[in-house]
Amino acid sequence: SAVISQKPSRDICQRGTSLTIQCQVDSQVTMMFWYRQQPGQSLTLIATANQGSEATYESGFVIDKFPISRPNLTFSTLTVSNMSPEDSSIYLCSTRRDSMNTEAFFGQGTRLTVV
Amino acid sequence: QQQVKQSPQSLIVQKGGISIINCAYENTAFDYFPWYQQFPGKGPALLIAIRPDVSEKKEGRFTISFNKSAKQFSLHIMDSQPGDSATYFCAASMRGSNYKLTFGKGTLLTVNP
Repeated sequence: SAVISQKPSRDICQRGTSLTIQCQVDSQVTMMFWYRQQPGQSLTLIATANQGSEATYESGFVIDKFPISRPNLTFSTLTVSNMSPEDSSIYLCSTRRDSMNTEAFFGQGTRLTVV
Repeated sequence: QQQVKQSPQSLIVQKGGISIINCAYENTAFDYFPWYQQFPGKGPALLIAIRPDVSEKKEGRFTISFNKSAKQFSLHIMDSQPGDSATYFCAASMRGSNYKLTFGKGTLLTVNP
């Protein structure tokens, strides 16, 4: 299995501010994924982050709102910009060991509350 | 458009009983169907997965039944235990989308002692 460390585990932020979430994997991986899980809801993929290229965003998510960095093969950040209460969610990073491996591993999530 | 529909939304089972969660999908290109288990404050963890070339897969108390013609699959938890109380997500993915996961809405399972 892959060990994923995500921080912060939770935060309470003022509207209009930004929060950067960090995700560290215990080994080099090609793909990292960022998900949003709204209270009591399913996981929705925000974007896929590959090292050395721009992140690929899913429909409904844009880079200006959720900029992503992927500086190396073990680390990624997701920034939630200009936050509003509607951004209150759990944000999860995920990865797979390699492109042929279907099993996805998840961090413990960042519980964000925007007030 | 929700591509994976999951039911029920919540389920209460007595200890020792059978828990059954159902999912239906729309995209026939899906070729990988995992179930994830999530405890409060934790990220989802893979529980069991199946590919459409088999109709059933069993791992311990957990069984996936797969009906390709009906585009449905289900998770059966035999001899349910209080420690099984968690949220369960079905998902689907396909090689063509680099196995990007599409999740169902989740089922909150409560197993009473």
